[in-house]
Amino acid sequence: GENVEQHPSTLSVQEGDSAVIKCTYSDSASNYFPWYKQELGKRPQLIIDIRSNVGEKKDQRIAVTLNKTAKHFSLHITETQPEDSAVYFCASYYSGGGADGLTFGKGTHLIIQP
Amino acid sequence: DAGITQSPRHKVTETGTPVTLRCHQTENHRYMYWYRQDPGHGLRLIHYSYGVKDTDKGEVSDGYSVSRSKTEDFLLTLESATSSQTSVYFCAIGRAQEYEQYFGPGTRLTVT
Repeated sequence: GENVEQHPSTLSVQEGDSAVIKCTYSDSASNYFPWYKQELGKRPQLIIDIRSNVGEKKDQRIAVTLNKTAKHFSLHITETQPEDSAVYFCASYYSGGGADGLTFGKGTHLIIQP
Repeated sequence: DAGITQSPRHKVTETGTPVTLRCHQTENHRYMYWYRQDPGHGLRLIHYSYGVKDTDKGEVSDGYSVSRSKTEDFLLTLESATSSQTSVYFCAIGRAQEYEQYFGPGTRLTVT
């Protein structure tokens, strides 16, 4: 089945600086890569996603890049703000082996220092 | 938030008892999923459904069963709860397999 590795597990940045979270996936057939933000005690919220036919996607201060050859994708947050503090999860959609669905990374705890 | 509710939101039960969690959607989405979230493991897929009466196993399906008799409801059953099933359970819905999934508010289950 699919395996998704996410780094770092904790990331602390100064307010206003940029943050980058990286993920790798194992199955070259994966074709959909979402990112979720989860605040403490809340549900995961979809913040941005990218499909395998696109290399980069941007939405205001957040962007995602995908390198299919290397099988890795990254989340970039610019001009970080206190409300960006949360746990971020990457995921890939994998079809096959009787386990269709999203495979998640283990999460990155992003801390924005004032 | 998308029209997804889960019930109960919190439950404490004893080892060996059966437990059923309910996910209800008002979006008429075809796909529904059950995930569990544990510290250090992220979210892991338990079972999913691609239509009424159509379900399949996910990564961590042992000890769980599901049923979907109506488009809007997806039930997760623990036939005989164990302490290792203490977790937060999230339901999600999606229009199609490779599109966005939206999560419900979660159910915190404690098995003592």
